[in-house]
Amino acid sequence: KNQVEQSPQSLIILEGKNCTLQCNYTVSPFSNLRWYKQDTGRGPVSLTIMTFSENTKSNGRYTATLDADTKQSSLHITASQLSDSASYICVVSDRGSTLGRLYFGRGTQLTVWP
Amino acid sequence: GAVVSQHPSWVICKSGTSVKIECRSLDFQATTMFWYRQFPKQSLMLMATSNEGSKATYEQGVEKDKFLINHASLTLSTLTVTSAHPEDSSFYICSDFQNGGSASGGPEETQYFGPGTRLLVL
Repeated sequence: KNQVEQSPQSLIILEGKNCTLQCNYTVSPFSNLRWYKQDTGRGPVSLTIMTFSENTKSNGRYTATLDADTKQSSLHITASQLSDSASYICVVSDRGSTLGRLYFGRGTQLTVWP
Repeated sequence: GAVVSQHPSWVICKSGTSVKIECRSLDFQATTMFWYRQFPKQSLMLMATSNEGSKATYEQGVEKDKFLINHASLTLSTLTVTSAHPEDSSFYICSDFQNGGSASGGPEETQYFGPGTRLLVL
């Protein structure tokens, strides 16, 4: 069964600290993996997109890694800011064709305290 | 980049009434748009795929007669929740892909989400 599991479910950190969010998936075949940031009451916003051949991709203070062999991805946030408080969602696409589907994780709720 | 807007941003209605939610692709012609529903602390769940000029494709378990989708133009898709009930209260989000054509989530396609519409049915 194609699934995307994220951990932890929630996380609280102090402003300025780093953190790492995890995403494990069983989706097969695999096309790409995306990380989104969703502020409360808003639609998700894309952070990174990685394909099978990409191990890491950065977007400012966000760095995503992908291990396609173990089917694991992580999102590392450096020097956290209060505005980083949001839900971070991992999404896996099973193929890049008209038959492709997206599988969404439940997200990790990050809270950054001053 | 492509921007997707939704209207209204929130709506409160009585049980039994119908509610229409609009989704607009502001700077991109989207032949395909997607409607999601999200319950509190849950992931986004795809409800249906809206296809311009043809019938929408619904996910298993989603009643097509209850959630009417119309994609009359390349920039507008509407979702109408008919005879809404309290269990329909949720956060409804639409999205499209920059490529628009296959909209399958290929790595070359960036998915843009609308800001969402929060529906509360009393």
